[in-house]
Amino acid sequence: DTGVSQDPRHKITKRGQNVTFRCDPISEHNRLYWYRQTLGQGPEFLTYFQNEAQLEKSRLLSDRFSAERPKGSFSTLEIQRTEQGDSAMYLCASSPNTGHSNTEAFFGQGTRLTVV
Amino acid sequence: DAKTTQPNSMESNEEEPVHLPCNHSTISGTDYIHWYRQLPSQGPEYVIHGLTSNVNNRMASLAIAEDRKSSTLILHRATLRDAAVYYCIRATNTGNQFYFGTGTSLTVIP
Repeated sequence: DTGVSQDPRHKITKRGQNVTFRCDPISEHNRLYWYRQTLGQGPEFLTYFQNEAQLEKSRLLSDRFSAERPKGSFSTLEIQRTEQGDSAMYLCASSPNTGHSNTEAFFGQGTRLTVV
Repeated sequence: DAKTTQPNSMESNEEEPVHLPCNHSTISGTDYIHWYRQLPSQGPEYVIHGLTSNVNNRMASLAIAEDRKSSTLILHRATLRDAAVYYCIRATNTGNQFYFGTGTSLTVIP
């Protein structure tokens, strides 16, 4: 297993366009998270899945953002009608469900989005 | 997370111990304290976590104050590869949601 994989690594898009990012978690990890990180800041929580169920969403996740994890494996994050303020690194993480609510999370390398 | 504060930057000499402080004065009784580090253009990497007791692993030690309002990450012998941004994180006990602090940029001087 090569860890959490995110695709693409970089995306440049024009304002108003839609973009979709993909995250492949570590096999058999049933918890998956999306975070957003702007330059010089720590990551901010966006949303959390346990298997295919989206259990938590941040108020940062506006109506233009949607995340799915249809089969409980890979996940997609879509941003509609992108704005310049959406420019950031989008990080995906996964963790196993060992019965404990706090375990190590494994992060991907992120997708850097630039909206021009 | 406005409730988690860290110094913006610290320096250490190579092979010396490093103590990275974090204040989380409003942490709830069930929130865990995690530390992750991040290299440029990389995702955060797990370092250590704990709830009340001090913790040790192969990477570092975590000292948690008795009142849990602060904690310190201890790197016993800093190496050049330890240069990174270190994040102190408040982790909720329910959904594993992380609230990252602003991070401390550690420079290791050869």
